[in-house]
Amino acid sequence: EPEVTQTPSHQVTQMGQEVILRCVPISNHLYFYWYRQILGQKVEFLVSFYNNEISEKSEIFDDQFSVERPDGSNFTLKIRSTKLEDSAMYFCASSVLLANTGELFFGEGSRLTVL
Amino acid sequence: DQQVKQNSPSLSVQEGRISILNCDYTNSMFDYFLWYKKYPAEGPTFLISISSIKDKNEDGRFTVFLNKSAKHLSLHIVPSQPGDSAVYFCAYISYNTDKLIFGTGTRLQVFP
Repeated sequence: EPEVTQTPSHQVTQMGQEVILRCVPISNHLYFYWYRQILGQKVEFLVSFYNNEISEKSEIFDDQFSVERPDGSNFTLKIRSTKLEDSAMYFCASSVLLANTGELFFGEGSRLTVL
Repeated sequence: DQQVKQNSPSLSVQEGRISILNCDYTNSMFDYFLWYKKYPAEGPTFLISISSIKDKNEDGRFTVFLNKSAKHLSLHIVPSQPGDSAVYFCAYISYNTDKLIFGTGTRLQVFP
């Protein structure tokens, strides 16, 4: 069964360092997303991406964050200068057409620990 | 803006009995409500959805009820099984947006 894959599963970094989290969405999906979950809190929307551009972003997704689909298969989230409060589980997701089905397919997540 | 609340952070149910998970919302402008299940160290997985024009949707052991007048959504699992033990999130998609917004989650534990 097709699935969304994410790498790395866990990354530890020093505050101020750049981090890139990678995702391979399901191949026929058109919409791509990043969500995050801080420990013990709810899953929060960060950004959605369609047709090679950001379609929507939350207030969490500030100038320190960027997304890219560099090669037609990978979908990356970059955090330029990490802060302690960026420590969270980051989930990539993809869908065929969210408004049509309401269903997102999530990866298993990348745990980011900022020291 | 839409608020989605799951007022029970946890629920404990005996195997074989019914589990009822609840969700309240504030804004009537939505396309779909959905339930997702999440195991530790895994991403959320889709369970069941209901569109704004329906009041019930059933899929096997899982039934979602939508009470639009009360702005209340519930998920019934019957019979509950130990493998159902997970965190359950209600979520919605509203008109003209491209995102899924999650509630705070309810941890369900099904014991033998």
